[in-house]
Amino acid sequence: DARVTQTPRDKVTEMGQEVTMRCQPILGHNTVFWYRQTMMQGLELLAYFRNRAPLDDSGMPKDRFSAEMPDATLATLKIQPSEPRDSAVYFCASGLARNTEAFFGQGTRLTVV
Amino acid sequence: AQRVTQPEKLLSVFKGAPVELKCNYSYSGSPELFWYVQYSRQRLQLLLRHISRESIKGFTADLNKGETSFHLKKPFAQEEDSAMYYCALRNAGGTSYGKLTFGQGTILTVHP
Repeated sequence: DARVTQTPRDKVTEMGQEVTMRCQPILGHNTVFWYRQTMMQGLELLAYFRNRAPLDDSGMPKDRFSAEMPDATLATLKIQPSEPRDSAVYFCASGLARNTEAFFGQGTRLTVV
Repeated sequence: AQRVTQPEKLLSVFKGAPVELKCNYSYSGSPELFWYVQYSRQRLQLLLRHISRESIKGFTADLNKGETSFHLKKPFAQEEDSAMYYCALRNAGGTSYGKLTFGQGTILTVHP
């Protein structure tokens, strides 16, 4: 049963520290999304990639956030420096360009104290 | 810019009652609309998509282009329907092809 895998599941860090979240998309999927989930905003799209190229990262605070796909099996989301307002659940999802369904990972719950 | 709005953060109904979760969208092209569901301690999963015109777990949703809405309905709610529901819009063309935008989500609670 192919699934999107995210690590870590939970992360507690101090303000100012660097945070790296990782995502392994389903093998063969060429589209990867990063979302942030909060009670107030719901699911906000931070960035998405196709064939490892960033297509849209307009939802991402550029001064502290960065998203990359070093290879087809790994997507990363980094926050440097982290701030308490970054506390949220971060989801990764993958899919195929021609397939309408996105498959989600279980999320990384980030707490910045 | 594409946008999805779910006006209700919380919705409570009793078992057996009808339920409707509202979703409105703004999009300049021809939209692809979806409903995703997140049960407690589980990952988000696709519930249904408008192009399939299907009924999943008793839920249906009709795309109304005139009202730019895609409301999710079920005639008789069950306790196991309690979950977070997200409406989503997928960009079907142009430079942002495949971009998937979600609404704020609605927490549905079905009481016994």
